[in-house]
Amino acid sequence: QLQLQESGPGLVKPSETLSLTCTVSGGSISDTSYDWGWIRQPPGKGLEWIAARQESRRTFYNPSLQSRVIISLDTSKNQFSLTLSSVTAADTAIYYCVRHSGSIDWCESWGQGTLVTVS
Amino acid sequence: DIQMTQSPSTLSASVGDRVTITCRASRSISVWLAWYQQKPGKAPNLLIYQASSLQNGVPPRFSGSGSGTEFTFTISSLQPDDFATYYCQQYSDYSVTFGQGTKLEIK
Repeated sequence: QLQLQESGPGLVKPSETLSLTCTVSGGSISDTSYDWGWIRQPPGKGLEWIAARQESRRTFYNPSLQSRVIISLDTSKNQFSLTLSSVTAADTAIYYCVRHSGSIDWCESWGQGTLVTVS
Repeated sequence: DIQMTQSPSTLSASVGDRVTITCRASRSISVWLAWYQQKPGKAPNLLIYQASSLQNGVPPRFSGSGSGTEFTFTISSLQPDDFATYYCQQYSDYSVTFGQGTKLEIK
């Protein structure tokens, strides 16, 4: 059974860079049938898609975040990562890693989420 | 960007009721729409994809319909476990956006 687990600092200072890692078990991020991505949710608010990519394929971004986001894949560790630069308080959110079914389709598997506070 | 307008934002209902949530897209997304349920402190859970396909293991009281710009999500007979927040998500043209969410409350 596929499992995704986010990890990273829970507190980031304004103007610094947020870095999170998602460790995947029960499946391989090298599987080209799927895309791997990140979604966030400010406390008490709705869901916002950040970006997603597939091994050896292009990355797709939320246009409002594109200039600050990098997604990278480490197939040797079966992990993928999110880097968000120049953070502000507006980036405070629960960050979820997800597996998209197919190419940027529905999100069939989610991590449990990790709260990142910018302060 | 494709904007998703979900309504209502809050819905009060009783166990056994039939409830419907609507999602409208700012332009046609064919059938590229999913629905999720989210409970407090938990990640969203996929219920419906491709507008009307039921995810494995999801009870058949949940259903979805629509195409183009108008979509509906229906729970045929509310159960106590169904009180949660529901989101629609479009995945057309290599982008993803969510509706604002509908909080389903006990009347």
